[in-house]
Parts: sequence; C-alpha cells; structure tokens
Amino acid sequence: QQQVKQSPQSLIVQKGGISIINCAYENTAFDYFPWYQQFPGKGPALLIAIRPDVSEKKEGRFTISFNKSAKQFSLHIMDSQPGDSATYFCAAHPKSGAGSYQLTFGKGTKLSVIP
Amino acid sequence: GAVVSQHPSWVICKSGTSVKIECRSLDFQATTMFWYRQFPKQSLMLMATSNEGSKATYEQGVEKDKFLINHASLTLSTLTVTSAHPEDSSFYICSAFGGETGNTIYFGEGSWLTVV
Repeated sequence: QQQVKQSPQSLIVQKGGISIINCAYENTAFDYFPWYQQFPGKGPALLIAIRPDVSEKKEGRFTISFNKSAKQFSLHIMDSQPGDSATYFCAAHPKSGAGSYQLTFGKGTKLSVIP
Repeated sequence: GAVVSQHPSWVICKSGTSVKIECRSLDFQATTMFWYRQFPKQSLMLMATSNEGSKATYEQGVEKDKFLINHASLTLSTLTVTSAHPEDSSFYICSAFGGETGNTIYFGEGSWLTVV
C-alpha cells in the first residue's frame, strides 16, 4: 500500500516537445505529492508539488495534473529543453499519522531531450 | 527555497574504518531529518528517520549498529558508517523538514562514499 508506481522508466523527447510522466498511488493517506528533479551525482531538487484538493498546478513550463478518484498524478513539461534532461521522481507522503512526512518515491524516469 | 547542506560531497575510506557524513539545515530548524541511500540508476531507499533529540527509526533491513544516526540539534544530523566495507559504497542523501518549511521536504546534495 506504500507503493508509488511511476512510468515510463525512460523517455526521449524532441526539443520543444511535451514530456509526460505518470504516477499512480494506492495509499489514500497520502496528502502531498511532490516531484523531484535529479541530475547525475546531485541530490534531488524539488520541482513542483500538489495537494489532493487541487486538480492542477502550473509553475512555468511544469504542470502537475492530479486525479484523486483515479489516484493518479502526472508531470507535464512543456517546451522541453536539453537542460531538462535529468531523472524525475514522483513522490508522496501522508501529512499525519504513521510515516508522516516520510516520502515514498517512484522508481524514477530518465528524461532525455534531444536537440 | 530552504537549503540543506551535506558534507563531505565525496569521501574515500579504507575498509574497516568509519566515516561520518553531516547534514545541516542552513536556514530553518529541521525537526525531522531523513537519510537515504541511492544506488546507480535506482530510486532513493529510505534508511532511517531521525527526530531531533530522540533515537532514529530505522527501516527494515538497515543495520542500526552499522549506520549510526545522531540528530543532536535542530540543524544537524550525522550518519556514521562504521566498519565500512566495499558494499557500503553508495550515494547517501539526507533530507530535512521543519515547521517553517510547511509540507516541503528539502534534500541535501548527497555524499558519495567509496570504500576501498
């Protein structure tokens, strides 16, 4: 019940295209859904996050879409750039109770944006 | 955003020795810090959760006597890998959370440990 399933494992997108990464979760106690971007040899950096009371959040070229009933959320990167090439992790944590603020990560998606 | 600093960024140690990695929250008080281990091309694996002033809670399968975690202040947690072996070589990452950060959990830059 703690799993967060992420797909695809790897993604190649043309420069200027839209990158879409999907995640699904099972634990209904999850209350916060961040996306992290990780470059090789670096720690993950928070990209954007959403709460389940909102269906969409946009920050610049990055948008999270959230479907509470389906227990799915996705990251859309518009106008993808070579500098976006990195590994992206979706994550989730409950706000209270057992494991509060303890992140459960997806397995990651390696994005390559080609010129 | 908030800053979490890890030190050292990379360290090489001899088999059988111990090595300490520090995790500091630079601009907020971290009531909770998490330690992760990451193997190449894999996701982050939670090792333990530490709350300031109390003993760390270790995940199943993580040896608490081998990976000593101390969270003595609201801005510093340390991970000590004792009697290190080559199989302990990995990328270790900490993250921190505090009331001032809201829901947000911030990560350090990670520390590469190589045991030779």
